[in-house]
Amino acid sequence: EVKLVESGGGLVLPGASLKLSCIVSGFTFSDYWMRWVRQAPGKGLEFIGEIKPDGSKTNYAPSMKGRFTISRDNAKNTLYLQMSSVRSEDTATYYCALYYFDYWGQGVMVTVSS
Amino acid sequence: EIVLTQSPTTMAASPGEKVTLTCRASSSVSYMHWYQQKSGASPKLWIYDTSNRASGVPNRFSGSGSGTSYSLTISSMETEDAATYYCQQWSSNPLTFGSGTKLEIK
Repeated sequence: EVKLVESGGGLVLPGASLKLSCIVSGFTFSDYWMRWVRQAPGKGLEFIGEIKPDGSKTNYAPSMKGRFTISRDNAKNTLYLQMSSVRSEDTATYYCALYYFDYWGQGVMVTVSS
Repeated sequence: EIVLTQSPTTMAASPGEKVTLTCRASSSVSYMHWYQQKSGASPKLWIYDTSNRASGVPNRFSGSGSGTSYSLTISSMETEDAATYYCQQWSSNPLTFGSGTKLEIK
């Protein structure tokens, strides 16, 4: 059974950094591109970026470039999203997903507030 | 960036009613994908490559379209179909999502 489980969310101060994790199981992680998507409360889905199976290439939505960094550790079956200089607009539920969006995690909430 | 505009934003349908949701792209795309999201849950892939139902999706759902105009149709609305539906394209980078159509049961 394919499973993706995000963690690392919570309440964070504006300007701080935060690293989200997505631990996967049930498939060969190192074979797949992976993606991050976010959803602000009551709003739609927003693509953040994606990473190649070997971690050598990442692509980001233009609005996400610079403050978000996607990485992975294939030995640990884990995908990461490093968020820096967070703002109130980054308050959202963050989802990891397989490349074709056929599998999603349950999401992790990040709240940016002082 | 390709902008996807979904209509209507919200609608309500009665059980048994035929429902059509529309997604228009600001530029031509090769395929459209659709996701269903219920409140408090993760999105689910619903229709991929314009017209293919994802695993487990009832056959009352169908997708069609080409170029800049795509649609998702429910032949006969059921209570369990109440959800928000998002279209999405990745023909052009960056991949983008529509803003969603919230479908309610009357």
